[in-house]
Amino acid sequence: GQQVMQIPQYQHVQEGEDFTTYCNSSTTLSNIQWYKQRPGGHPVFLIQLVKSGEVKKQKRLTFQFGEAKKNSSLHITATQTTDVGTYFCAGPTTDSWGKLQFGAGTQVVVTP
Amino acid sequence: GAGVSQSPSNKVTEKGKDVELRCDPISGHTALYWYRQRLGQGLEFLIYFQGNSAPDKSGLPSDRFSAERTGESVSTLTIQRTQQEDSAVYLCASSPPRGGRVSYEQYFGPGTRLTVT
Repeated sequence: GQQVMQIPQYQHVQEGEDFTTYCNSSTTLSNIQWYKQRPGGHPVFLIQLVKSGEVKKQKRLTFQFGEAKKNSSLHITATQTTDVGTYFCAGPTTDSWGKLQFGAGTQVVVTP
Repeated sequence: GAGVSQSPSNKVTEKGKDVELRCDPISGHTALYWYRQRLGQGLEFLIYFQGNSAPDKSGLPSDRFSAERTGESVSTLTIQRTQQEDSAVYLCASSPPRGGRVSYEQYFGPGTRLTVT
């Protein structure tokens, strides 16, 4: 069945450093979404990418949708302690446009 | 405006008891979802309501789980004869009306933390 995979599962980052987390789908996606869940909180929508090769920025966060629309990446520059949390990517399922298939998430830990 | 609300925020129950979890979606959102999240794990899809269409129950783990939604408002997730493996955070999300083959962002509630003892 359809799979959405995220790597790495865990990311330990020194404050101030950059890092990238990746999302790969077994199927072509019409769009991809990213969510952030802070420790003890609930997932919060960050962004949606629709076009092949699309790049969107939110302050220090850069999101990219692959040319083949099967992968995506999230790059964070100058990591801050406020970036701590788990980042999930999600794409529509093959059986229902309204339903999302979430990846397992990348848990980000920031060391001061 | 008001976001998605869920109640109770915490529920401790004894094994074998039934529990009801409630979700109030954002007003005007036609789509409503229930997910289960075990400690340190990802989101496990349970059920999806879209307007007046038949719900997508494909994620319900057993017949002990059921959910209802009244029109495009409140939803209740019921777990009968709870087991210890049902312990998790149950998250509800809603999504605005969609046109055509488009996915829209989901807005999550704070969740209900269920502990089965």
